[in-house]
Amino acid sequence: GQQVMQIPQYQHVQEGEDFTTYCNSSTTLSNIQWYKQRPGGHPVFLIQLVKSGEVKKQKRLTFQFGEAKKNSSLHITATQTTDVGTYFCAGSTGANNLFFGTGTRLTVIP
Amino acid sequence: NAGVTQTPKFQVLKTGQSMTLQCAQDMNHEYMSWYRQDPGMGLRLIHYSVGAGITDQGEVPNGYNVSRSTTEDFPLRLLSAAPSQTSVYFCASRKGGAQYEQYFGPGTRLTVT
Repeated sequence: GQQVMQIPQYQHVQEGEDFTTYCNSSTTLSNIQWYKQRPGGHPVFLIQLVKSGEVKKQKRLTFQFGEAKKNSSLHITATQTTDVGTYFCAGSTGANNLFFGTGTRLTVIP
Repeated sequence: NAGVTQTPKFQVLKTGQSMTLQCAQDMNHEYMSWYRQDPGMGLRLIHYSVGAGITDQGEVPNGYNVSRSTTEDFPLRLLSAAPSQTSVYFCASRKGGAQYEQYFGPGTRLTVT
């Protein structure tokens, strides 16, 4: 079955440092989405990437979709305590279902 | 709009008991799904529905049943609870295919003893 792997599983950073999480799929994806889950909360949609090599930015967050559409990354510049949470990627091959990565839990140390 | 609602928020069951987790959405979304979240495992799809009267299995369907009699509601039934079903359960909905963003409910934390 389709698998979406995400690394690292955990990341601790000092406030102000950068953070990156990586997502890799065993198959070519039609689109990839990113979600954020605050501690004790539910996943909330951040963004979707569709095109090969696409790069999108949301303030300090930069999202990339690989040229082969098999990998993606989320980079946060100058982390803040409000960035704490678990970040999930979710990929689709064009059918109905999204396959979620295992998530990266980010801790920001003030 | 209330979005996606789930009840209960917390539940403790004994092994062998049955129960239904409720999920409702008021956004007229065609697609609804159930996930379970376990530490280090991410979100795993249990069952999904592409519209009223249509359901299908996801990655981990064993031990769970679903039905979709209306567009709004998508209950998840545990027929005979087992400790392995201790988890956080999220219901989600979206407008249509996988190109649409998913909206998640607040979750149900289930413990089976």
